[in-house]
Amino acid sequence: AQKITQTQPGMFVQEKEAVTLDCTYDTSDPSYGLFWYKQPSSGEMIFLIYQGSYDQQNATEGRYSLNFQKARKSANLVISASQLGDSAMYFCAMSPSGGYQKVTFGTGTKLQVIP
Amino acid sequence: SQTIHQWPATLVQPVGSPLSLECTVEGTSNPNLYWYRQAAGRGLQLLFYSVGIGQISSEVPQNLSASRPQDRQFILSSKKLLLSDSGFYLCAWSGRGLDSEAFFGQGTRLTVV
Repeated sequence: AQKITQTQPGMFVQEKEAVTLDCTYDTSDPSYGLFWYKQPSSGEMIFLIYQGSYDQQNATEGRYSLNFQKARKSANLVISASQLGDSAMYFCAMSPSGGYQKVTFGTGTKLQVIP
Repeated sequence: SQTIHQWPATLVQPVGSPLSLECTVEGTSNPNLYWYRQAAGRGLQLLFYSVGIGQISSEVPQNLSASRPQDRQFILSSKKLLLSDSGFYLCAWSGRGLDSEAFFGQGTRLTVV
C-alpha cells in the first residue's frame, strides 16, 4: 500500500521569496512516480511537476523544482520567487510503477503568499 | 489539443434522488479515466478508474457507480443519494505512458440536502 504524508496544513511566504512544501511517502513498489498539483480556490487541479523514482536528476519546471531524496522517501516541492498567484492548495501524489493509475494523494498544504 | 469537460459545475440534490455526472475528453483516444472525490479541506480520494470501454475498477465501497459507455465518456451515478455523498467530484484523464500526468476537469460541487 502507498501512503503520502504532507505535514504542513498551512504555510505563509513573502512575495519573491522561495518556499519548500514537504512531502514524504511510503511504498513497497520498486518503481513509482511522484507528482505535485496546485489547486486554486476555483477547484481546478493543475499539474506542476513529475519525478520518476529512477530519474537521476531532480525534476524542474520553471519556478518549480522537486527535491527528491529517495533514501529519505521525500519529494519536497520548491517554489522560487513566490508570486501572489501561487496562493493555493498544493497536493503531493504518488503512483505505482511510474504511471498514473491508482494515484494516492496527500492531504495538501495551503500556501498563502503575502505581498 | 486535449480538453476535458465535466458538468454540471454545481449541483444541489435532495437525499434519495438519483445522480448523473458526466465527463468527456476531446483530442485523445483510449485514455485512462478517473473519478475522484474531495471532501472539504481534504485530499483526493480515488473512487473509480477505467482503462477502456466497459472496464471499471472501484476503489472504495460506496453508494456510487461509474460507467464508460464510450471511449472518451465517463459517467458517475447513484440511484439514491445520501447526505454523505456531498463533496467536490473531479474527473480526470491520463495517457498510457509511464510518466503521464493526469488532467482534471473543473469539478462538480455536489450538495445533498
